[in-house]
Amino acid sequence: DAKTTQPPSMDCAEGRAANLPCNHSTISGNEYVYWYRQIHSQGPQYIIHGLKNNETNEMASLIITEDRKSSTLILPHATLRDTAVYYCIVRNPNNAGNMLTFGGGTRLMVKP
Amino acid sequence: DTEVTQTPKHLVMGMTNKKSLKCEQHMGHRAMYWYKQKAKKPPELMFVYSYEKLSINESVPSRFSPECPNSSLLNLHLHALQPEDSALYLCASSQPRRGTHNEQFFGPGTRLTVL
Repeated sequence: DAKTTQPPSMDCAEGRAANLPCNHSTISGNEYVYWYRQIHSQGPQYIIHGLKNNETNEMASLIITEDRKSSTLILPHATLRDTAVYYCIVRNPNNAGNMLTFGGGTRLMVKP
Repeated sequence: DTEVTQTPKHLVMGMTNKKSLKCEQHMGHRAMYWYKQKAKKPPELMFVYSYEKLSINESVPSRFSPECPNSSLLNLHLHALQPEDSALYLCASSQPRRGTHNEQFFGPGTRLTVL
């Protein structure tokens, strides 16, 4: 699976949009972009995934560039409960064992 | 029920002890995983079970011994651990099918301290 690069930390004001970037310049054609987050003292939680189209669900939006070399996770109205480490993961759905390989992630701090 | 439960929440053990971590899910998932997470680091995959059979062992030392007694349960048996094995141990489950979106559901983890 392709490697990802994320900024180690970001701050966001409560109520504002949080835009978390991820670089995956070596992504191959059949690899998906996944986002998970890990709130302190909890296990990781799935947020969203996409292949090449932009995706939206009740938690977030995922914007993938046309060349698929980078993506942005958008939390439209960040709350204090969104403070967490956000992991961008590129995954081949045909990989053996359905494995997730976590990178360093971005520690998002939402401030009042 | 979309919950993965792990017991105990916290465990302190000596280097000569034998202990076990337990994980349970009732979502009908046939793939289960153990991850290890050191402080301020991302989770690292240890083992994958698919249909109750060990399918992936990420070169984990033999002092960690996984067991999947049935499709709902996953154990991690610990023996002769070292202080550097202190970490958060996370269990996860998913459907094992390839080629589809298989969200992994994680438990809250067991925080292990080896003295």
